Amino acid sequence: DTEVTQTPKHLVMGMTNKKSLKCEQHMGHRAMYWYKQKAKKPPELMFVYSYEKLSINESVPSRFSPECPNSSLLNLHLHALQPEDSALYLCASSQTDRGSSTDTQYFGPGTRLTVL
Amino acid sequence: DQQVKQNSPSLSVQEGRISILNCDYTNSMFDYFLWYKKYPAEGPTFLISISSIKDKNEDGRFTVFLNKSAKHLSLHIVPSQPGDSAVYFCAASIIQGAQKLVFGQGTRLTINP
Repeated sequence: DTEVTQTPKHLVMGMTNKKSLKCEQHMGHRAMYWYKQKAKKPPELMFVYSYEKLSINESVPSRFSPECPNSSLLNLHLHALQPEDSALYLCASSQTDRGSSTDTQYFGPGTRLTVL
Repeated sequence: DQQVKQNSPSLSVQEGRISILNCDYTNSMFDYFLWYKKYPAEGPTFLISISSIKDKNEDGRFTVFLNKSAKHLSLHIVPSQPGDSAVYFCAASIIQGAQKLVFGQGTRLTINP
């Protein structure tokens, strides 16, 4: 099973709303990632969690708040977002946070977020 | 500063022929490279990777070539099939605290019957 699941598939929210994106994997991976992908652009790394601890924050605004409650789950809490935050949010996981040609990142299908 | 570049936004190839997708990079600290395939409304799917110490890796119809001196890699698909139509992303891996993947802009490959 190489599946990473993400919910919801689509989310529309206003600028004053608080919402959360959820990501789950059951592959025993210990590293999990959040990426943001704008239309016609490549995915851009936002956060990396390794063994449930935040190891990389790519200078993401505080209106995005990640959380890793256990090794299988990764959340992204959203608050006071701007319309320019509308994008596809991708979650990924890998066995470790070191990466190698045999330890690759597996991606979920993404959550399409629209901020009005 | 675009560290990974895919200069062809799109490529159209006849079914059965070879598809060649190209990628250039600037950072010599990247330790390995990957190709991902992406269909609409899906996440990227891993295809094939190559370590920076190798110059070729083959997996079925897919072969990746790495030219370190030119900082260039390419993905060859042969023979191309209609199901190969997708956006292909080149990605480069670097360890900065943890693994980071830096993606190219993507190339939309269309296989014509």
